[in-house]
Order: sequence, then C-alpha cells, then structure tokens
Amino acid sequence: AQTVTQSQPEMSVQEAETVTLSCTYDTSESDYYLFWYKQPPSRQMILVIRQEAYKQQNATENRFSVNFQKAAKSFSLKISDSQLGDAAMYFCAYRSADSGTYKYIFGTGTRLKVLA
Amino acid sequence: NAGVTQTPKFQVLKTGQSMTLQCAQDMNHNSMYWYRQDPGMGLRLIYYSASEGTTDKGEVPNGYNVSRLNKREFSLRLESAAPSQTSVYFCAGSRTDYNSPLHFGNGTRLTVT
Repeated sequence: AQTVTQSQPEMSVQEAETVTLSCTYDTSESDYYLFWYKQPPSRQMILVIRQEAYKQQNATENRFSVNFQKAAKSFSLKISDSQLGDAAMYFCAYRSADSGTYKYIFGTGTRLKVLA
Repeated sequence: NAGVTQTPKFQVLKTGQSMTLQCAQDMNHNSMYWYRQDPGMGLRLIYYSASEGTTDKGEVPNGYNVSRLNKREFSLRLESAAPSQTSVYFCAGSRTDYNSPLHFGNGTRLTVT
C-alpha cells in the first residue's frame, strides 16, 4: 500500500523569505499523481499545485513550485516570497494512475507559520 | 458555482445518537469521498464511491455507512455516535481522470459528548 509522509509537523518562515515543505512517499508504481493542498484557518481545502510522475519538469504556480525527485520518492513544496496569507496547514497527497484505483492518500500535514 | 456543498457545518451529538451528513456536488464528478481530519493524523478516508451505484470502504469505515443517492449526492451516516467520532468531516469529489484533483466541501465539525 502507498504511504505519504510529511516529517515536519510545523515550520516557520519570515515574511518575504523562502520556505520548503517536505513530502516523501512510498509506492511501487511508476505512474501516479502528486498534489499539495493548503488549508487556512477557514478550514477550506485549496489545491496549490499538482505534479504528474511521468513529467520530469517540476510544476510551478506563481510563487509555488515543487522539487519532484522520482527516484528518491520526494515531492517538496517551495514557497517563495512568503506572505502572511500563506500561513496554513499544507497537505501532500498521492493518487495512483492505476486503472480502477480511486483513492487519494494524504500525509499528516505541516503547519506553516509566517512571521511578520 | 456551488461546487461541493456539505451540511451541516457544525453538529453536537450525544453518545448513541444518529445523524446523517449530507454532501452534494454540481461539478459532474463521477467519484465522491468522505474523509475525516484529526489533529496529527491528516485526512483519513472513510468511504468512497468510484461511480454512481458503487461504494467502497476506505481506511477507517467502522461506525459509518454511506449512500450514493445519485451522481450528485453522497451521504455519510453515523448510526450510533461515539466520542471517538469527534472530528472534522470532509466530503470531496473528483473526475475519473487520474490527474483530477479532489474538490472539497467546507467541512463539518462534529462533536460527540
């Protein structure tokens, strides 16, 4: 079974600085999808970025980018020019591309604090 | 656009009471899910419905039942609530495409006393 591990329960970053959140996963599959979700205090779950395993190019969405290392099974999220509004819980998630598989597996989350 | 709508937003139950959490989506999602979120444990899958007419157990199904009433609606029922079911519950939906992200409702905070 696949697992997703976020080893940093909490991180802090100074406003305007850069922070990297770690995510590792365990799978024997070669094709899959990875996602980062943000959960602000409002409790809403917001998709931040997604990565397809067969694409070598790292995904980027404005100030958010990933460092996807398939061999190391690592999928870290980099937030550049951190803003106060980035303070939230961040969850990493995995979905198999195997036919008939519908589950999304989540890590335990990292709480990001942004210091003014 | 309504997206994924969950009701209620908050609920307090006494041990042994029953209730149903409602979820409806207007995003034409084939698959729908129920997760629970507990501190330090992330989101854990309770049940999911890959398509209309099918339901399957997730990681933590004990104490829950689900109904996929139609393509739009997927309800979660607690027959006899227990304090261990105190949690935040999320409904979510997705298309069948493998790269489709989950779209979440706003969650239900349930407290069982």
